[in-house]
Amino acid sequence: NAGVTQTPKFRILKIGQSMTLQCTQDMNHNYMYWYRQDPGMGLKLIYYSVGAGITDKGEVPNGYNVSRSTTEDFPLRLELAAPSQTSVYFCASLPRAGGYNEQFFGPGTRLTVL
Amino acid sequence: GNSVTQMEGPVTLSEEAFLTINCTYTATGYPSLFWYVQYPGEGLQLLLKATKADDKGSNKGFEATYRKETTSFHLEKGSVQVSDSAVYFCALSEGHAGGTSYGKLTFGQGTILTVHP
Repeated sequence: NAGVTQTPKFRILKIGQSMTLQCTQDMNHNYMYWYRQDPGMGLKLIYYSVGAGITDKGEVPNGYNVSRSTTEDFPLRLELAAPSQTSVYFCASLPRAGGYNEQFFGPGTRLTVL
Repeated sequence: GNSVTQMEGPVTLSEEAFLTINCTYTATGYPSLFWYVQYPGEGLQLLLKATKADDKGSNKGFEATYRKETTSFHLEKGSVQVSDSAVYFCALSEGHAGGTSYGKLTFGQGTILTVHP
């Protein structure tokens, strides 16, 4: 298994541009998450999904959109990039309900908005 | 709401020194507690976890005990190595199987650990 994969690894955007961060997992996990990590801060939840076709907002959803058309894929869309969205983005997945289960993280996407 | 507070960092130690990274939490119900580690340039990986009060999680020489009375989950290691240099995150997840938390994690701000030879 490749686990959780994310593309691209790095990206520089200009203000106002849009892009999609890709996330794929091959473990057949129902639950998927997007977090952002700002310097010196912990991870903040942007959006999450409990299954194909079902998504919900996390703590910091403004400026982002998601979709979940398949179990494997959970892309994150930035429509109008702003400098405040400069961050490292992590995708994660969880096999099933139960807070005691471990989330599996991708390697991250480092995004800079200039 | 839930919150996790970690000790201020960064932490710099010599090899073979004793490590403690403090973590306290605020949560409703009975959260599960985790320590994740992030090595340079990599994503997060689970280091250890504990799912109920008085449980001790352990892995790679690291230990942490779930203390409900003090709402704490401090990370310890008796003798650190240079290879332990990384960022350590304490995190919690609400609830048990069938709950409505959907496994969402609340993270502390992270503690940078640097170990010198």
